[in-house]
Amino acid sequence: EPEVTQTPSHQVTQMGQEVILRCVPISNHLYFYWYRQILGQKVEFLVSFYNNEISEKSEIFDDQFSVERPDGSNFTLKIRSTKLEDSAMYFCASSEILGTGYTFGSGTRLTVV
Amino acid sequence: SQQGEEDPQALSIQEGENATMNCSYKTSINNLQWYRQNSGRGLVHLILIRSNEREKHSGRLRVTLDTSKKSSSLLITASRAADTASYFCATEAAGNKLTFGGGTRVLVKP
Repeated sequence: EPEVTQTPSHQVTQMGQEVILRCVPISNHLYFYWYRQILGQKVEFLVSFYNNEISEKSEIFDDQFSVERPDGSNFTLKIRSTKLEDSAMYFCASSEILGTGYTFGSGTRLTVV
Repeated sequence: SQQGEEDPQALSIQEGENATMNCSYKTSINNLQWYRQNSGRGLVHLILIRSNEREKHSGRLRVTLDTSKKSSSLLITASRAADTASYFCATEAAGNKLTFGGGTRVLVKP
């Protein structure tokens, strides 16, 4: 069964450093997303991406965050200057058609120290 | 309560028993989805029910949706130890994003 692949599975970074989280969505999917889950809290929407541009973003997704689809397969989330409160599990997801459910990756656990 | 709240927060049952968990939400939705998350792992899509549907089945899963009460339930029949996980409801309204609830932690004891 097709999977959404995320790398790395765990990243530790120092506060103030830039991090790039990588995702390979399912190949025929057109809609891409990033969500995050702070330990013990709800899964929160960050951003959706379609047709090479952001279609929606949450309040969390401020100027420190950016997304990119640099080629036909990768979808990346960049955090420009990490803060302690950015520590969370970050999930990438993709969907083929709106309203049909999402396929999530296994997540990247980001720890900012 | 916020959009997508599960009840109970935790559930402990014996293998073979049924597990029922509920989800309430506040705004109009296009669909409601249930996901499973094993500890520290990714979210696995279980089932999607559209706002014009009332009940849906998938294997041992049964989902109901009552839009008049803004609530949904997930029933897992004949539970197995492998069903131990957290279960989340997520609503999708206008705009293609999910709003998740806090989840129900299910422990199935062998």
